[in-house]
Amino acid sequence: EVQLVESGGGLVRPGGSLRLSCAASGFTFSSYTMNWVRQAPGKGLEWVSSIISGTNYIYYAASVKGRFTISRDDSKNSLYLQMNSLRAEDTAVYYCARPLNGGSGYYFAYWGQGTLVTVSS
Amino acid sequence: EIVLTQSPATLSLSPGERATLSCRASQSVSTYLAWYQQRPGQAPRLLIYDVSNRATGIPARFSGSGSGTDFTLTISNLEPEDFAVYYCQQCSDWPPYSFGQGTKLEIK
Repeated sequence: EVQLVESGGGLVRPGGSLRLSCAASGFTFSSYTMNWVRQAPGKGLEWVSSIISGTNYIYYAASVKGRFTISRDDSKNSLYLQMNSLRAEDTAVYYCARPLNGGSGYYFAYWGQGTLVTVSS
Repeated sequence: EIVLTQSPATLSLSPGERATLSCRASQSVSTYLAWYQQRPGQAPRLLIYDVSNRATGIPARFSGSGSGTDFTLTISNLEPEDFAVYYCQQCSDWPPYSFGQGTKLEIK
């Protein structure tokens, strides 16, 4: 069974930093591109970042580029998101997501339970 | 960046009725479109991918259609557990993978 478990969320002041982790199990982690998707309170879903398996090509949403860094440790089946220079608008539940195996496109088939990041003074 | 616009924002129906949700893209996404369901306090769940393919374990009452810029999610014979928020997502042109703003399906 695919499991994704996020951790590391919490309350941080504007300008501060936080590192999120996602522990994966139930599949060959190193074979999959992994992603972070966030959801501000009462709002919709926003893709944040992706890291491509095997190549470590990385992509970011414009809203976080230059402040957030995605990384992975395939030996630990773990995904990370280092968040610096945090702003109030970064307040959200952050989900780790794995794509669907199959299909023609790229879809988020497996999600963790999310970890809440609150940026406030 | 491709913008997805969902309508209506809120849809009020009764159990047993048929729901029709719309997603319109600002430019063609071909057939690279998915639908997700999100219940309160839960993570999103993939329902439909590549416009019309149901994900594993999704009941047959959920169906998707469309191509290019206009897409529809249809839920026939609504069950109580279907009342939730639904999002569309495109992967035709990325980054970013964009989502619609959501349609809330509520009990009338």
